[in-house]
Amino acid sequence: EVHLVESGGGLVQPGGTLRLSCAASGFSFSSYSMNWVRQAPGKGLEWVSYISGGYSSIYYADSVKGRFTISRDNAKSSVYLQMNSLRAEDTAVYYCARGKSGLGISEYYFDYWGQGTLVTVSS
Amino acid sequence: DIQMTQSPSSLSASVGDRVTITCRASQNINNFLNWYQHKPGKAPKLLISAATTLQSGVPSKFSGSGSGTDFTLTINSLQPEDFATYYCQQSYSTLYTFGQGTKLEIK
Repeated sequence: EVHLVESGGGLVQPGGTLRLSCAASGFSFSSYSMNWVRQAPGKGLEWVSYISGGYSSIYYADSVKGRFTISRDNAKSSVYLQMNSLRAEDTAVYYCARGKSGLGISEYYFDYWGQGTLVTVSS
Repeated sequence: DIQMTQSPSSLSASVGDRVTITCRASQNINNFLNWYQHKPGKAPKLLISAATTLQSGVPSKFSGSGSGTDFTLTINSLQPEDFATYYCQQSYSTLYTFGQGTKLEIK
């Protein structure tokens, strides 16, 4: 059974840093891309970042580009999100989500999600 | 970036009703459109991929249609467990974007 467990959330001051982790189990981790998706309080889902299984491709949403860094360790079946220069608007529940490609070249979806970890940016 | 717009933003319905949620893309995304269900405090759940493909284990009461820029999610015979927020998401661009969500509430 696929399990994704996020950790590392908490309260941080504006301008501060935080590193989120997502531990995966139940599947061949290196064969799948991974993503971070967030939900701010009272708001909808927002995709944050993507990393391919072999580390070769990385994408970021414009809202976090230059401040957040996604990485993974296939030996540890884990994906990370290093968050720097945090702002109040980064306050959200951050979800780790496994990505899966379908038959079409652009067919791609998030088929398994973790329960999320809350990040609060406040002074 | 591709913008995804859902309508309505909220919807009240009764148990047993049939409802339809619409998602519109700001440009042609072929059929690269997915639907998710999200309940408070829970992980989002993938319902439909590639506009029409029902995921394993998802009841057939859920169905998706559309291509290009206009898509719909239909839920038949609403049950209490179906009341949640529903999101569309495009994968045509690698800057994956979600719609703003449609909150389905019990009337």
